[in-house]
Amino acid sequence: GAVVSQHPSWVICKSGTSVKIECRSLDFQATTMFWYRQFPKQSLMLMATSNEGSKATYEQGVEKDKFLINHASLTLSTLTVTSAHPEDSSFYICSASGGPTYNEQFFGPGTRLTVL
Amino acid sequence: EDKVVQSPLSLVVHEGDTVTLNCSYEVTNFRSLLWYKQEKKAPTFLFMLTSSGIEKKSGRLSSILDKKELFSILNITATQTGDSAVYLCVRMGNFNKFYFGSGTKLNVKP
Repeated sequence: GAVVSQHPSWVICKSGTSVKIECRSLDFQATTMFWYRQFPKQSLMLMATSNEGSKATYEQGVEKDKFLINHASLTLSTLTVTSAHPEDSSFYICSASGGPTYNEQFFGPGTRLTVL
Repeated sequence: EDKVVQSPLSLVVHEGDTVTLNCSYEVTNFRSLLWYKQEKKAPTFLFMLTSSGIEKKSGRLSSILDKKELFSILNITATQTGDSAVYLCVRMGNFNKFYFGSGTKLNVKP
């Protein structure tokens, strides 16, 4: 149990376009989902926390108008990178909490975004 | 400050060696400390430590937390090439937020 999926796993887009990444908890209800980004050879950096039915909480330095997060249901959260630029190229990973071990976060496989 | 510092940053050993990975943190709102293993993609869970001085063990891996000195160690005995990965130390703060350390990259050579 406690499986989290992400879609797509890899996306290449042109500068200026918007990209939506989905994060789904497949076998449990995720009351909270988290979004991270990871640059090459660096660790994961928390971007935002989203709770179902409420606005996401963004970490300091993360532009909420740039990275739109929607947590519409207990099994789905989406991250939209608006007007993407090459510097947004990164590995985006989501995690979900609310499974069998409440404090634990279960990570998705990640989405690699490349902006040309 | 929510800094989580891991050392060493990188480590190369041979199969059969024992390694100790270190993690120190600066507490502001401590709940738990966790260890994850990251190979190519998403991190996979290893341990969650909440109480000081109680060793958690899983096969060849073990971990312990010292809440007074604000550090944790992860031990791997009889290392295998499959242990090669980045090991991430994570401090869980309020609202279950995760603060990741920079990671220790372990390379186990045959």
